[in-house]
Amino acid sequence: DAGITQSPRHKVTETGTPVTLRCHQTENHRYMYWYRQDPGHGLRLIHYSYGVKDTDKGEVSDGYSVSRSKTEDFLLTLESATSSQTSVYFCAISEFPDGPLNTEAFFGQGTRLTVV
Amino acid sequence: KNQVEQSPQSLIILEGKNCTLQCNYTVSPFSNLRWYKQDTGRGPVSLTIMTFSENTKSNGRYTATLDADTKQSSLHITASQLSDSASYICVVSAKGNNRLAFGKGNQVVVIP
Repeated sequence: DAGITQSPRHKVTETGTPVTLRCHQTENHRYMYWYRQDPGHGLRLIHYSYGVKDTDKGEVSDGYSVSRSKTEDFLLTLESATSSQTSVYFCAISEFPDGPLNTEAFFGQGTRLTVV
Repeated sequence: KNQVEQSPQSLIILEGKNCTLQCNYTVSPFSNLRWYKQDTGRGPVSLTIMTFSENTKSNGRYTATLDADTKQSSLHITASQLSDSASYICVVSAKGNNRLAFGKGNQVVVIP
């Protein structure tokens, strides 16, 4: 497995509380992504980063914020968790997502978040 | 609108049989197409990646094909095994775009 670790792996939280998920990589890849995966929707992009302090929104970014202060860490924060944010969250890393080389996008093991 | 459509959504096959999964995409301009396997409770793992000039690529019993003209790809599983039970996800990237377009996956169940 590529050097990518998500923490925590499982979390149950109450509605209205803040939650932060962490993605840590040891591959020194430039691009990092946060996705959520829900039945019937597949993987949907929340936010991504293309460098330290460089981030951009994905298709389902409402209610989420991210930060990347170091190359190796990409944090996803739910400022005030809602039940609709119950999901499995995946972090991914990539060196050249659209490059001519056959470069991989590696995924973490996922974080199962339940908001009650 | 989803730029990557996969079919069938799910299928059940007998161990030892072959199957083919389909992926149609509208992503443009095309850069590369990847097939991932996702076991239950785990993150996706890459099987193959193909660029515009590649028609076919194999990884063991998995063979992916690409027709960039018709914007179609297929993943063929030969002599299926119980461990092939998983979701197979087609992912397409566009040139100049940092994002990946995901299909919803083909859910494959292999039964003895």
